Amino acid sequence: DAKTTQPPSMDCAEGRAANLPCNHSTISGNEYVYWYRQIHSQGPQYIIHGLKNNETNEMASLIITEDRKSSTLILPHATLRDTAVYYCIVDNNAGNMLTFGGGTRLMVKP
Amino acid sequence: GAVVSQHPSWVICKSGTSVKIECRSLDFQATTMFWYRQFPKQSLMLMATSNEGSKATYEQGVEKDKFLINHASLTLSTLTVTSAHPEDSSFYICSARNSGTTEAFFGQGTRLTVV
Repeated sequence: DAKTTQPPSMDCAEGRAANLPCNHSTISGNEYVYWYRQIHSQGPQYIIHGLKNNETNEMASLIITEDRKSSTLILPHATLRDTAVYYCIVDNNAGNMLTFGGGTRLMVKP
Repeated sequence: GAVVSQHPSWVICKSGTSVKIECRSLDFQATTMFWYRQFPKQSLMLMATSNEGSKATYEQGVEKDKFLINHASLTLSTLTVTSAHPEDSSFYICSARNSGTTEAFFGQGTRLTVV
């Protein structure tokens, strides 16, 4: 079973920040928080991951709470091409398969 | 970055025939690859773990004789759907993780339609 909980859907206005929450209250100390997204009819695409500290790359920012029980993926300026299903996954980096939950379907609107 | 290539992107086949899907890691060696299946409006579900040089490990409920997996080299895994039926119509996705990185890489997916 997936170890994360995400809202099933969210809307965001184009150009605004999209903040996608994820709960992972049972996360273990050696597990990372990963975010992937899946655009319609494509394979998932890696976005970002983190352990404890907040992370930022060219795609997004990841904010992890101090207790690590939740996190937020931030797309600073959402575009129409960011419309996708976003998956939050916890993983221990042991090279095993990823377990996907339901994800959040983000709709970016003009 | 590391790339995983999947072929074909889509295929239509007649009921009772077999279909082979290829998954290649283009710039890294993958001792392990993963095969997922995704039905419309659902999430990805792991079908099996493909191990180079040994038998694949199948998830509960996945028929190993129907979904044949061959991982003959460090860069290629194949999934063959044998005696396909309409209920096998789905989106099949492969994945691999490069030991030198942490994230997983996914193929483009193969949309199988059995008519």
